[in-house]
This record gives sequence, C-alpha cells and structure tokens, in this order.
Amino acid sequence: KAGVTQTPRYLIKTRGQQVTLSCSPISGHRSVSWYQQTPGQGLQFLFEYFSETQRNKGNFPGRFSGRQFSNSRSEMNVSTLELGDSALYLCASSAWTARDSPLHFGNGTRLTVT
Amino acid sequence: GENVEQHPSTLSVQEGDSAVIKCTYSDSASNYFPWYKQELGKRPQLIIDIRSNVGEKKDQRIAVTLNKTAKHFSLHITETQPEDSAVYFCAVFGGGFQKLVFGTGTRLLVSP
Repeated sequence: KAGVTQTPRYLIKTRGQQVTLSCSPISGHRSVSWYQQTPGQGLQFLFEYFSETQRNKGNFPGRFSGRQFSNSRSEMNVSTLELGDSALYLCASSAWTARDSPLHFGNGTRLTVT
Repeated sequence: GENVEQHPSTLSVQEGDSAVIKCTYSDSASNYFPWYKQELGKRPQLIIDIRSNVGEKKDQRIAVTLNKTAKHFSLHITETQPEDSAVYFCAVFGGGFQKLVFGTGTRLLVSP
C-alpha cells in the first residue's frame, strides 16, 4: 500500500506570494492532518480534515487554510507568505479521526520563504 | 491549551545501555499517547502508543509506561543500538482540544 504522498518536496517562494501544498493520503484513509515543523517550535498542529470537513484548527492566522476533496486528498494554502512561514509542512493521514487511529506521516514539503 | 513537556532535550548513551524519555501533560482527560521516531531527513514514524486504560505496553526493546494520576508517560528503550539514534517525539490526544499535541522532541544519540 502506498504511503502518504506530499508534493512538491521543496518550494522556494518570495514574501507576499501564496503557495499551495498537496497531500494524498493512504488509500482508504479518511482523515488528513497538517503540521508545521520548525527547529524552534517543533510540530505544531494546523488543522484536521475528515470527510471533507474541517474537524479542528490550530492557532495559526487565517492566512493558513486548507480543504479536503471527496477522494480524501487535501491541499493546504498559505497566502501573503512571511519569512517566518519557512518550515517543513507535514501531512498525516489516518483511517478514521486522529482520535481513533494512528497518524501516518508523509515526507513533507520544505518551504523556504525569501 | 494542552501542554506537553518532554525531557530531556538531548540524550547520549553507549550502545547497549537503556534510554528513558519522559513527557508530562496538563489535561487529565487526555486518553491517547503515541511516540514517534524521526530520523534525520525522514518522516516521523509511529513506534508505539498507549491508551489511557492501560498502564504499560511493550514491543520488543521498546516500552511505554503511563501514570495517569501524575499525568506523565515515558518511553523506555533497552539494549540501544546505533540505529536507534533519532529524534523522538511524544504526543497527547484528547481532552477538550481533540487534536494531537506533540512534545518538543528528544535527540537520542547512541554511540557504538
């Protein structure tokens, strides 16, 4: 069974631009969660989607948004990029909600904002 | 919000020694406690997890213990090997916030 796939792997953007990251979960998984990983802050929860509905949201500004499609694939969008948005963005899928089944992470998208 | 403290931040051991990493949490309603291992440049991978109705769980050289009263849980690795070198993250799910909150990570270095 294929794992969680994130595209692209690397991205370089300029301040003020916007970016869209993509995540394809493990086949059959219905929940997708997004995390931001930085050396200083560790793994910070962004949001979780289950059956196309956002179940929970972390403490990030409204510039960070996401969505989930009917095939469970998910996208995350960051608008008006800031230097501090440079990070590894990890997507994780689980069979049901994150409460009920383990998270399986993708390899992440490393975003650099210059 | 849910607060998860993880100690130590770095841990160096000799091959064959045991390693223990401890996490404390704030919300007594939390009910799921996984541990993830992240090797350099790779994705975090679940290595063991425990739910609040169990006090201890073991899988070969790895074990997790949970003390609900004191609100802490620990990862125990016995007979460490160089390939155990990685960053280990604890996480807590449950309580009022219904999301997986991670500790700040422990960098484990096992020297041959």
